[in-house]
Amino acid sequence: SYELTQPPSVSVSPGQTARITCSGDALPKQYAYWYQQKPGQAPVLVIYKDSERPSGIPERFSGSSSGTTVTLTISGVQAEDEADYYCQSADSSGTLFGGGTKLTVL
Amino acid sequence: EVQLVQSGAEVKKPGESLKISCKGSGYSFTSYWIGWVRQMPGKGLEWMGIIYPGDSDTRYSPSFQGQVTISADKSISTAYLQWSSLKASDTAMYYCARCSEPIPPYYFDYWGQGTLVTVSS
Repeated sequence: SYELTQPPSVSVSPGQTARITCSGDALPKQYAYWYQQKPGQAPVLVIYKDSERPSGIPERFSGSSSGTTVTLTISGVQAEDEADYYCQSADSSGTLFGGGTKLTVL
Repeated sequence: EVQLVQSGAEVKKPGESLKISCKGSGYSFTSYWIGWVRQMPGKGLEWMGIIYPGDSDTRYSPSFQGQVTISADKSISTAYLQWSSLKASDTAMYYCARCSEPIPPYYFDYWGQGTLVTVSS
């Protein structure tokens, strides 16, 4: 079955750049979306259609796509960015989430 | 302001039935799909299904087809997720969310606060 693969964890120091990847065979043909989920909170959409940023999301969040991999980039990471991040894309039955990546700010 | 307000936490026994709700406000409830997402303890997000409150068109993930029922009452701007016979493995946080566009992957721009369902004997 189709899967979206994310690294389980990414660590970065404050002020550095964090890159979280999501891989899937259908990603060259389907948009990807990214959500941030902080402990005890509902997810928040941070990137849609590969690289678009919803209103209210800081400019340090950006998205890109290359082949079968999409990347969420957080520039100048802040302590408040520590969270789980999930990618989402379409599959044959509707939609699919990646397994999630825990971003740790050291 | 768009808001999705979910019903409160539930504690149930295996075999019992349950219906949780999600009330939308601040937008045209009948014009956007509403989806349900499961998050088991310490785990990731799982897409369960979606409903279009305008005509109750419903689509389920194959993983949840036959396991739950999604419905909506457009007269009170509320969507529902229900079980006829709960299992311990249904213990999870359940989120409703509004679909921004009516086509796959039905991504979500607004989320409810979540409803924690605990099933234990």
